[in-house]
Amino acid sequence: DVKVTQSSRYLVKRTGEKVFLECVQDMDHENMFWYRQDPGLGLRLIYFSYDVKMKEKGDIPEGYSVSREKKERFSLILESASTNQTSMYLCAARDSSSYEQYFGPGTRLTVT
Amino acid sequence: GENVEQHPSTLSVQEGDSAVIKCTYSDSASNYFPWYKQELGKGPQLIIDIRSNVGEKKDQRIAVTLNKTAKHFSLHITETQPEDSAVYFCAAKTGNQFYFGTGTSLTVIP
Repeated sequence: DVKVTQSSRYLVKRTGEKVFLECVQDMDHENMFWYRQDPGLGLRLIYFSYDVKMKEKGDIPEGYSVSREKKERFSLILESASTNQTSMYLCAARDSSSYEQYFGPGTRLTVT
Repeated sequence: GENVEQHPSTLSVQEGDSAVIKCTYSDSASNYFPWYKQELGKGPQLIIDIRSNVGEKKDQRIAVTLNKTAKHFSLHITETQPEDSAVYFCAAKTGNQFYFGTGTSLTVIP
């Protein structure tokens, strides 16, 4: 099975801080995704990447950027964290030849 | 873009009864419909999926049905057990993107 790991399970940051969320997958999958999950809103796509150094905006990219320098690693960056970015962040990976998407355990970020 | 609606938002059933969760989608180009189970503190786990060229798929106590004409698909869990208690999400894939329902919190009462 694909294993997707995220650098932190819980994170507390202050308003205005720069925040890095890291995601690593071990199956050489081309596609990687960052979602945020909020009660009553389900999962919403922030950014996705279909190859190294490639990225596409999802539905809610404002306030976020991403980096994919290596195939196995996809980073989500909050340039200046704000309280409305308090959320659960989920990373996922998918092989281009398959429809199945595999999720990491999530990072619960609190911005105070 | 795609819009996925999921009902109900909460569902309580007695152990051994069946549970049904329904989703509708709007984009006829959607071609893949997975269901995820998310337990507390964990990421979503794929439990069953169906492609647009199939009407029904079953895996032990779990089944999914798809009605392409009506643009809706459903998750059926039979003989529910307490360990089935979790949040369930449906999704629809259009192009390279997945669109998710808002989740159903299922509680199985022993």
